[in-house]
Amino acid sequence: EPEVTQTPSHQVTQMGQEVILRCVPISNHLYFYWYRQILGQKVEFLVSFYNNEISEKSEIFDDQFSVERPDGSNFTLKIRSTKLEDSAMYFCASSDSSGGLSEQFFGPGTRLTVL
Amino acid sequence: GESVGLHLPTLSVQEGDNSIINCAYSNSASDYFIWYKQESGKGPQFIIDIRSNMDKRQGQRVTVLLNKTVKHLSLQIAATQPGDSAVYFCAENISGNTGKLIFGQGTTLQVKP
Repeated sequence: EPEVTQTPSHQVTQMGQEVILRCVPISNHLYFYWYRQILGQKVEFLVSFYNNEISEKSEIFDDQFSVERPDGSNFTLKIRSTKLEDSAMYFCASSDSSGGLSEQFFGPGTRLTVL
Repeated sequence: GESVGLHLPTLSVQEGDNSIINCAYSNSASDYFIWYKQESGKGPQFIIDIRSNMDKRQGQRVTVLLNKTVKHLSLQIAATQPGDSAVYFCAENISGNTGKLIFGQGTTLQVKP
């Protein structure tokens, strides 16, 4: 069964450093998402991406964040200068259609720890 | 405003009993709802979804009920098994938007043998 994969599973970084989280969505999907989950809290939407551009982003997704689809398979989330409060699980998701009525498939997540 | 919430943070049931997990949503424009299961250290896993033009939808051992009048969503799990132990999230999606899911706080389901 096709699945979303993410690397690395755990990333430890120093405050102020740049990190890139990587995702490989399901191959025939066209819509891509990043969510985050701070420990013990609910999952929060960060950004949606379609046709090589951002469709929607949340207030969390400020100028320090960016997303890219550098090739036909990868989807990346970059945090330019990490802060302590960026520590969280980051989930990538993909779907074959957008809006209502579309199931989003989630990856296993990358745990980001900012020291 | 945009918010989806759950009534109980933890639900403990005996193996074999039925479980009911509740969720309240506040956005009247939402017309698609999903229940996700999240096991420790893993990403959310789709369980079942329902459109706003339906009141009930059944899957294998799971049923989702939607009451639009009071903006309430519930997930019923029949004959709960130890493997059902996880955190359950409801999420809402507004049709025509960009696929943004708004998640609730989550209910931890503990199944006692």
